[in-house]
Amino acid sequence: EVQLVESGGGLIQPGGSLRLSCVVSGLTVDTDYMSWVRQAPGEGLEWVSFTYSGGKSSYADSVKGRFTISRDNSRNTLYLQMNSLRVEDTAVYYCARDPGFGFLYWGQGTLVTVSS
Amino acid sequence: EIVLTQSPATLSLSPGERATLSCRASQSVREFLVWYQQKPGQAPRLLMYDASIRATGIPARFSGSGSGTDFTLTISSLEPEDFAVYYCQQRNNWPPITFGQGTRLEI
Repeated sequence: EVQLVESGGGLIQPGGSLRLSCVVSGLTVDTDYMSWVRQAPGEGLEWVSFTYSGGKSSYADSVKGRFTISRDNSRNTLYLQMNSLRVEDTAVYYCARDPGFGFLYWGQGTLVTVSS
Repeated sequence: EIVLTQSPATLSLSPGERATLSCRASQSVREFLVWYQQKPGQAPRLLMYDASIRATGIPARFSGSGSGTDFTLTISSLEPEDFAVYYCQQRNNWPPITFGQGTRLEI
């Protein structure tokens, strides 16, 4: 069974940093596209970042220069380092995996709240 | 960036009725359009990919059609568990990966 389990969310002040983790079981993180997708309270889905085999990555303009995606193949874990957090970054953050035709696998999400 | 516009924003129907949801792209995405269903408190679930292919385990009452810029998700006869929010996503021209704003299907 494939499982993606996120952690690391919480309440953080504007300007602060958080690192989210996504532990994957049943698949490896070093193949296919691994992404972070977020959803602000009551809003729709917003793609944040992806990484894929070969080490390349890409970011939404809204987080470029502030967020960094990475993975640890030995731990089968995906990360999202979030710096210079803003109130508008408040959202549930999902890790998701695209095997080539869409986000088939999702975690349960972790809530990040940026507030003073 | 390809913008996806879903309509209607909210669709009010009853069990047993037919639902038709639309997704329009600002430029052609060929057939690379994906549909998701999301229920409150849950992660999205992939329903359809490549516009018309049902994902594993998705009931046959769900069907998708379209290519280029205009796409439709049809639910032939609504079941109580189908009332949820539906999103489309394009994967033809990325990054960025883009989603529509969603259609809420309510009773």
